[in-house]
Amino acid sequence: DAGITQSPRHKVTETGTPVTLRCHQTENHRYMYWYRQDPGHGLRLIHYSYGVKDTDKGEVSDGYSVSRSKTEDFLLTLESATSSQTSVYFCAISDSGQGVSYTFGSGTRLTVV
Amino acid sequence: AQSVTQLGSHVSVSEGALVLLRCNYSSSVPPYLFWYVQYPNQGLQLLLKYTTGATLVKGINGFEAEFKKSETSFHLTKPSAHMSDAAEYFCAVKVDTGRRALTFGSGTRLQVQP
Repeated sequence: DAGITQSPRHKVTETGTPVTLRCHQTENHRYMYWYRQDPGHGLRLIHYSYGVKDTDKGEVSDGYSVSRSKTEDFLLTLESATSSQTSVYFCAISDSGQGVSYTFGSGTRLTVV
Repeated sequence: AQSVTQLGSHVSVSEGALVLLRCNYSSSVPPYLFWYVQYPNQGLQLLLKYTTGATLVKGINGFEAEFKKSETSFHLTKPSAHMSDAAEYFCAVKVDTGRRALTFGSGTRLQVQP
């Protein structure tokens, strides 16, 4: 979607290696989110951010960390990738107004072998 | 905590038939409700959302949904299915004003038969 980009789009990595996924926005939105999508589970929240250096855990945060040093960038790191972290990862952004609008990135397909 | 249940992981309809995708939510406070569509290998696109006001919400591509508080439901409908409607549909709810994150249902894959 315009205003939010994820990189890389695809990645294959080996078990035990660290991996960082990047989400970049040009909308100056305060809130940013990382979700993972798995068959039968929909999208589940990993971590979210409500401002620079302000982050918190979601429902499936084990094995993941995040950082947000600038408004526009939200990084998701898998400290030591495992096969259970093979998934499609989506970033989302949200404004802080009452309109409650969310925009999703195109996703990153991560395969851990 | 809020939750969303989508009844039926797969729904198949004939082209031109009514589409009905079911979504029930649980929430102790008035929710914001969303329907998203995902086409193969793509991201999520907003179909429609309910925040406040009119309970019948019209969205893109001829879809609409009705918020029924008494039934805690937000079912998605379209009078006449088109082949291009084949996709996965997700219902989502937001009630946590702190983190403002969406909670998603597990999704319903819609198949449209010619």
